[in-house]
Order: sequence, then structure tokens, then C-alpha cells
Amino acid sequence: AQKVTQAQTEISVVEKEDVTLDCVYETRDTTYYLFWYKQPPSGELVFLIRRNSFDEQNEISGRYSWNFQKSTSSFNFTITASQVVDSAVYFCALSEETNFGNEKLTFGTGTRLTIIP
Amino acid sequence: DTEVTQTPKHLVMGMTNKKSLKCEQHMGHRAMYWYKQKAKKPPELMFVYSYEKLSINESVPSRFSPECPNSSLLNLHLHALQPEDSALYLCASSRGRAGYTSTDTQYFGPGTRLTVL
Repeated sequence: AQKVTQAQTEISVVEKEDVTLDCVYETRDTTYYLFWYKQPPSGELVFLIRRNSFDEQNEISGRYSWNFQKSTSSFNFTITASQVVDSAVYFCALSEETNFGNEKLTFGTGTRLTIIP
Repeated sequence: DTEVTQTPKHLVMGMTNKKSLKCEQHMGHRAMYWYKQKAKKPPELMFVYSYEKLSINESVPSRFSPECPNSSLLNLHLHALQPEDSALYLCASSRGRAGYTSTDTQYFGPGTRLTVL
């Protein structure tokens, strides 16, 4: 069965510091997809990134970057020069590609990030 | 435009009331979802509709009744709820061009905060 572990329950950093959110996953499949979502206090889950298991290139989008390492089953998320608006709960999620038609998106338990002004 | 809308934003209801939650998307997506999220927990999948047909029902109690009148709308009818049903209810949609697959990116609405008295 697939599983996503976000060991950091809560993180607090001072504004402008860099912060890395960890995500470790377990899956039996060779083809799978990883996601990161941001959930600000308003409640909406905001999609950040989708990555398939065959694309191990790191990705950078502005202040956000993602490090995908299949060897350690990790998909970590780094925010550089953090800002107060980055304060939110961040979820890592995993989906396996199967032919059964009933697969689900498996979420980690989330990491609550607080940026201190 | 990746927008999913939900109404109402907040809902307070008694255990004998009947109410409905509404969700709408105009992205041409053919898969739509209902999730339930309790405080400090990840979202839990309730139902999935693919091409207006119920594809997944995660053994949700019958007091929750989903409906998909057309490809843009998704409703969740509520009846005789319990206080433990109080939660944030999130709607999402995904492309689903070949039917439902959890590997597509899901786009979430802002949610309805439900309180059952």
C-alpha cells in the first residue's frame, strides 16, 4: 500500500530564512505521481507541483524548489527567502498509476509552516 | 483558469435539517470529488464522479448523498447529520479525459465549513 510521511508536524522560521519541508513516500509501483499542495488559513488547497516518477529533474519556480530523489524515496520542498504569505499547511501526496480504476490520492499528514515577521 | 467554486462558505445546521453543498467548475473537467477534512488532518476522499457517474464511494454513511447533475456541477445533500460530521468539505475536479484517474492534478475549491449542532 502507498504511504506518505511528513515527519515535520510544525516548523517556524523567521522571515527571509530558507526552509525545507520533507516528504518521504512508499509505493510498490514504478509509475507514480507526486504532488505538493498548500493550504492557507482560508482552507483552499492550492496546487503547487505534480511530478511523475520518471522525471527526476529538480524543479524551480520562483522562490520554490523541489528535490526528487528516487533512491531515498523523497520529494522535498524548499522555500527560499520565506515570506509571511508562505505561512500555511503544506501537504505532500502520492498517486500510483494502476489499471484498477479505484486508486486514490494519498496525502501525508501535512506540515504547518509559520513564518515569523 | 483553474477555479472551482463552492457554496455556501459556511453552514450551521441542526441534526434534523436537510441542506445541500454545491460545487461548480468550468474547466471542462470530467472528474469531480468530495473530500472531508477534520481539523489538523489531511483531506479524506468521500466520493468521485467520472463523466457524471459515481466512480468511487468510500463507504460514506447514507446521510451524505452526492449528486452530479451535469459535468460542471456537483452537489452533496446532507440529512440527519451528527455533530462529528462537522468539518471542512472540499470539492475538487480533474481533467479525467479517459475517465477517472487519481494521477491527474486535482484542483480544489475553497471549501464549506460545516458545523452540526
